[in-house]
Amino acid sequence: SQTIHQWPATLVQPVGSPLSLECTVEGTSNPNLYWYRQAAGRGLQLLFYSVGIGQISSEVPQNLSASRPQDRQFILSSKKLLLSDSGFYLCAWSRTGGSPLHFGNGTRLTVT
Amino acid sequence: DAKTTQPPSMDCAEGRAANLPCNHSTISGNEYVYWYRQIHSQGPQYIIHGLKNNETNEMASLIITEDRKSSTLILPHATLRDTAVYYCIVRVEGIYNAGNMLTFGGGTRLMVKP
Repeated sequence: SQTIHQWPATLVQPVGSPLSLECTVEGTSNPNLYWYRQAAGRGLQLLFYSVGIGQISSEVPQNLSASRPQDRQFILSSKKLLLSDSGFYLCAWSRTGGSPLHFGNGTRLTVT
Repeated sequence: DAKTTQPPSMDCAEGRAANLPCNHSTISGNEYVYWYRQIHSQGPQYIIHGLKNNETNEMASLIITEDRKSSTLILPHATLRDTAVYYCIVRVEGIYNAGNMLTFGGGTRLMVKP
């Protein structure tokens, strides 16, 4: 069966510090990979998606970037965090072509 | 994506069936009905989806009316761990991007009580 791992679960970082959140998927090949942000009491905001190694699509211009160095690895990064980057970040995967989206357990990021 | 309407909250006794309704009267012919749930402080969990036939898996059953304007998610034997917010979404198949978003509305907050 397929599993998705996302870490860390919680993170507190000072303003201006770098960020690296990692996500890996097991049990499937060539998945579509996604990064979402969910603000408290609000819906999901799609940040990035990737249909293959090295292929990144950005949905919202912002202070963040994403990379996919391996087929089942997706990384969310920032060079300098802003207070507004605080939130609940979710990695997700789906099979090629769409179908259900499967989420990781999320990283709660607090920028102080 | 078509808009969905769900009751904001529901209660269910532990061990009983939980029936969560969803209205999607403007659903298009190629749009699927998806159900997700989110337990507090966790990522959303996919439950089930269907196009027009009823579907069942190890988690739940999905009943879609013949006109596809509404559906019901059934948790046959609710447990305390099923307490969560349940989201009904309609969307076409395909990659999740700005042109085909996964949009969570308000959902139904299900409280399973002992």
